[in-house]
Amino acid sequence: DIQMTQSPSSVSAFVGDRVTITCRASQGIGSWLAWYQQKPGKAPKLLISAASNLQSGVPSRFSGSGSGTEFTLTISSLQPEDFATYYCQQANTFPPWTFGQGTKVEIK
Amino acid sequence: EVQLLDSGGGLVQPGGSLRLSCDASGFTFSGYGMSWVRQVPGKRLEWVSTISGRGDTTHYADSVKGRFTISRDNSKKTLFLQMSSLRVEDTAVYYCAKVAPGGVSDYWGQGTLVTVSS
Repeated sequence: DIQMTQSPSSVSAFVGDRVTITCRASQGIGSWLAWYQQKPGKAPKLLISAASNLQSGVPSRFSGSGSGTEFTLTISSLQPEDFATYYCQQANTFPPWTFGQGTKVEIK
Repeated sequence: EVQLLDSGGGLVQPGGSLRLSCDASGFTFSGYGMSWVRQVPGKRLEWVSTISGRGDTTHYADSVKGRFTISRDNSKKTLFLQMSSLRVEDTAVYYCAKVAPGGVSDYWGQGTLVTVSS
């Protein structure tokens, strides 16, 4: 199975800060990478597919990049509603689809 | 508007069984694969099982293979997960999710909690 590792596990930031989260795959996955946002007690929400394809309705302050084994999710100017946990998921090799351990974005 | 409504969770003893349901609306249900994904609170998401739109192809995580069965009723737009021989480590919130092209889950149910405990 492909292992997905995110860093950092948590990050504290101010509103307005730029935040970058990294996701690394244990083997190359092309651009088959998705990012999800999950708020406490809620279901995950798809933000980005195919490494950089922003889903409809997702604010443009979110962006994704990368290919192969290293990917990033960037929030250009953190807003109060962005405080959540973010997960990456590889969609290259199935089964199984696998997820990162999550990165919690907290208020500083 | 796409909506997925999970139900069927609860408290069950180890070795017991439970059936989860997911009622779908707002899209052509039979045209899409559907998955179950689970999450122990505070832990990462874990893919459990996926079924094709027609229901003729299924896949399972090794951790549930032989114990869980995914199925669907396209006439009722409902997805199921029959869980048997439940273990304490199956305790989690279970989400149904719609599979989009590219292997991502673009819509999720609200989740239903399964607790396996004596």
